[in-house]
Amino acid sequence: DAMVIQNPRYQVTQFGKPVTLSCSQTLNHNVMYWYQQKSSQAPKLLFHYYDKDFNNEADTPDNFQSRRPNTSFCFLDIRSPGLGDAAMYLCATSSKQGKETQYFGPGTRLLVL
Amino acid sequence: AQKVTQAQTEISVVEKEDVTLDCVYETRDTTYYLFWYKQPPSGELVFLIRRNSFDEQNEISGRYSWNFQKSTSSFNFTITASQVVDSAVYFCALSEAWYGGATNKLIFGTGTLLAVQP
Repeated sequence: DAMVIQNPRYQVTQFGKPVTLSCSQTLNHNVMYWYQQKSSQAPKLLFHYYDKDFNNEADTPDNFQSRRPNTSFCFLDIRSPGLGDAAMYLCATSSKQGKETQYFGPGTRLLVL
Repeated sequence: AQKVTQAQTEISVVEKEDVTLDCVYETRDTTYYLFWYKQPPSGELVFLIRRNSFDEQNEISGRYSWNFQKSTSSFNFTITASQVVDSAVYFCALSEAWYGGATNKLIFGTGTLLAVQP
C-alpha cells in the first residue's frame, strides 16, 4: 500500500544534541510537509517542500532545518534541541494536482532530556 | 484571515449514542477546502473527508456523516451509534490555495477530544 513512513517512531535526545527525523513516501507526491504538534494542541506547520523548492513558515525557528534529497525522502534536522522542542513531529504529503489532500505519517515523538 | 473554531474541547458519550462535532470556519476565499482528520492515541492523523466550497452536498460514509452549510460557515461531523474505537481527537481544517494553487496550507481547529465509554 502507498503510504507515508516516519522513522523512528520515538526519539530521545539530549538537550543541545542534534537530531534528525526521517520521512519517506511511496505516494510519489510532489509536496512534503513537516508539522510540530505539542500536547493538546493542533499541528503547526514548520515548512514544506514543493518539489525541490523549500518554503519556510515565518515563525519557524532557525533551529529547525530540512532536507529533501529526492522525491521520496524528507528529513527534519533540529540543530540544538531545547526542552521546548519536545513534541510529536508529523510528516505529510500531497499531490500538486488532484484534490490536494494531505496524507500524514504516523509521527515521531521526540523527547528531550 | 482564515480561522477554524471547534468550540467543543471534550465530549464524552456512551457507546451507541450519536454525537455531533461542531466546526465553524472563517475565510475570505471563494474557493477553499474543508477537511476532517481523526487522531487516535497512537498519534497518526487519519484523513476522513475533504469537501470543496462549491459542493454543499451532505456526505454519508457508514456511521459517519458530514453537514456542510456555507450560509452558517459550518462543517459539522456526526457519528451515529458511536463505538469505543471512535475515541480520538478530531480536527477540522481549512485549506487556502496558495503557491499557484499547487499546495495548500491547512488551518487546523484546536480539536475535539471524543471519549466513547463502553
